[in-house]
Amino acid sequence: AQSVAQPEDQVNVAEGNPLTVKCTYSVSGNPYLFWYVQYPNRGLQFLLKYITGDNLVKGSYGFEAEFNKSQTSFHLKKPSALVSDSALYFCAVREWNSGNTPLVFGKGTRLSVIA
Amino acid sequence: DTGVSQNPRHKITKRGQNVTFRCDPISEHNRLYWYRQTLGQGPEFLTYFQNEAQLEKSRLLSDRFSAERPKGSFSTLEIQRTEQGDSAMYLCASSSVEGLSEAFFGQGTRLTVV
Repeated sequence: AQSVAQPEDQVNVAEGNPLTVKCTYSVSGNPYLFWYVQYPNRGLQFLLKYITGDNLVKGSYGFEAEFNKSQTSFHLKKPSALVSDSALYFCAVREWNSGNTPLVFGKGTRLSVIA
Repeated sequence: DTGVSQNPRHKITKRGQNVTFRCDPISEHNRLYWYRQTLGQGPEFLTYFQNEAQLEKSRLLSDRFSAERPKGSFSTLEIQRTEQGDSAMYLCASSSVEGLSEAFFGQGTRLTVV
């Protein structure tokens, strides 16, 4: 069975500092990995995905994520945080060759960027 | 097409009543998913359709829940005899059939059962 762990419920970072939101996953085969962001009273917005190829994936709003197969991780990063990045972030996984089964999400990490 | 649309945005109902939610996916998307999200949790999968066929249902989807996508376009999720534990945000998402595609989510319907 697929699963995702986001070990931090809350991440606080000062504006202008780099940020990292952690994610580890478990699948029996190869993973498709995704990051979504949720702002208050809004649906989930897609940020980026890893399918195959370069381990560093670039996405929307200056975010990027690094796939590490040996550590089964897919941490979300941004070099310089903005106050407007404050939101709830979800990591999700789908197993490759699983017939496009639904995404499995982590519990989410609340990012707070302080001015 | 402006994205996935869900109606209503909010629903307050008394315990025991039936409720129905609607989801209009992105028009060219064949796959449609329903998720439920409670406070402090990530979205939990309920069911999904490819065109009009319901391909998978989660064990979370009790007999009181039913979903349809009659013409492979919009979908409805009905909850019968609502319970307080049904209070949650119900999210709809759509994607193309192609396996690498991401899902696009609607803004959700927040259900409160009193």
